[in-house]
Amino acid sequence: AQTVTQSQPEMSVQEAETVTLSCTYDTSESDYYLFWYKQPPSRQMILVIRQEAYKQQNATENRFSVNFQKAAKSFSLKISDSQLGDAAMYFCAYRPANAGGTSYGKLTFGQGTILTVHP
Amino acid sequence: DVKVTQSSRYLVKRTGEKVFLECVQDMDHENMFWYRQDPGLGLRLIYFSYDVKMKEKGDIPEGYSVSREKKERFSLILESASTNQTSMYLCASSPVGSPVYEQYFGPGTRLTVT
Repeated sequence: AQTVTQSQPEMSVQEAETVTLSCTYDTSESDYYLFWYKQPPSRQMILVIRQEAYKQQNATENRFSVNFQKAAKSFSLKISDSQLGDAAMYFCAYRPANAGGTSYGKLTFGQGTILTVHP
Repeated sequence: DVKVTQSSRYLVKRTGEKVFLECVQDMDHENMFWYRQDPGLGLRLIYFSYDVKMKEKGDIPEGYSVSREKKERFSLILESASTNQTSMYLCASSPVGSPVYEQYFGPGTRLTVT
């Protein structure tokens, strides 16, 4: 079974600074997808960024980028120029590419990291 | 924009009550999911449905059942609520076709069982 581990229950950053959230996963699959979701306080969870394992290039979405190390099974999220609106719980998630059939949509989530942004 | 709505943001029920949590999505997605979110445990999948009247157990189905009579609606049922089912419940939906597709989440229902 796949597992996803976020070893940092809480992180904090000063506004305008950079912070990196860690995520490791365990899988025997060679092809899969990784996601970072953001859950702001009392608001809906939204997708921040996704990475396809077969792509060597790290995904980037504006101030958000990932460091994907496939051999190390590591998938960290870097937030540059942090803003107050980045304060949220962040979840790392894994989905196999070839689970087949009805398992296609299933995600495995990490424990979450609460990010605090200080003005 | 995809919209996933849940019937209640906060719910307080007594032990032994039958509890219905409702979820509706407006994007014609085939897949729908129910998760529970607990501190330190992240999101854990309870049940999911890939089509009307179809369902599969997730990782923690014990004490729960689901119903999907219409494509847009997915209900989570606690047959006899217990205090250990106090939690945040999140519904999500996604289209089929590619594992790259994201899941879209509802706002969550915080259920307290006393």
